[in-house]
Amino acid sequence: EVQLVESGGGLVQPGGSLRLSCAASGLTFSNSWMNWVRQAPGKGLVWVSRISNDGSDSVYADSVRGRFSISRDNAKNTLYLQMNSLRADDTAVYYCADGSKAYYDYWGQGTLVTVSS
Amino acid sequence: EIVMTQSPATLSVSPGERATLSCRASQTISSKLAWYQQKPGQAPRLLIYDASTRATGIPARFSGSGSGTEFALTISSLQSEDFAVYYCQQYNNWPRTFGQGTKVEIK
Repeated sequence: EVQLVESGGGLVQPGGSLRLSCAASGLTFSNSWMNWVRQAPGKGLVWVSRISNDGSDSVYADSVRGRFSISRDNAKNTLYLQMNSLRADDTAVYYCADGSKAYYDYWGQGTLVTVSS
Repeated sequence: EIVMTQSPATLSVSPGERATLSCRASQTISSKLAWYQQKPGQAPRLLIYDASTRATGIPARFSGSGSGTEFALTISSLQSEDFAVYYCQQYNNWPRTFGQGTKVEIK
């Protein structure tokens, strides 16, 4: 059974930083192209970032480019999202999702990030 | 960026009835479209990919159709567990984009 478990969310002040993690099991993580998708409270889904299976290539949504950085450790089967210069509109549940087939067939349960003073 | 527009925003349906949800892309995306179901407090679940292929374990009452810019998700006979929010998503272009969602509620 595939499991993706996010962690690292919490309350942070505007301008602060946070690092999210996503621990993967039940899949060959080193073959998986991984993504972060977020959902603001009561709103829809927004794709944030994607990283290739070997970590050599990454892409970002315009809204986070230059502030967020996606990375992975295939030895630890873990995906990361480093979030800097956080703003109130970054407040959301952040999901990791397996996008190896372009669509997202496996999702984590999400971790809530709240940016507020 | 491709804009995905779903309609209606809310669909009120009685159990056992048929529901049809629409999704329109601002430019052609071939058949690179997925549908997801999301219940309150849960992660999205993949229902349909490549516009019309059911994901593993998805009941046959869910079907997808369309290509190009116009797509539909049909639930043939709504069950109690189908009341949820449904999102379409295109994966033909970057950035990947989702529709704003259609909430299927009990009439």
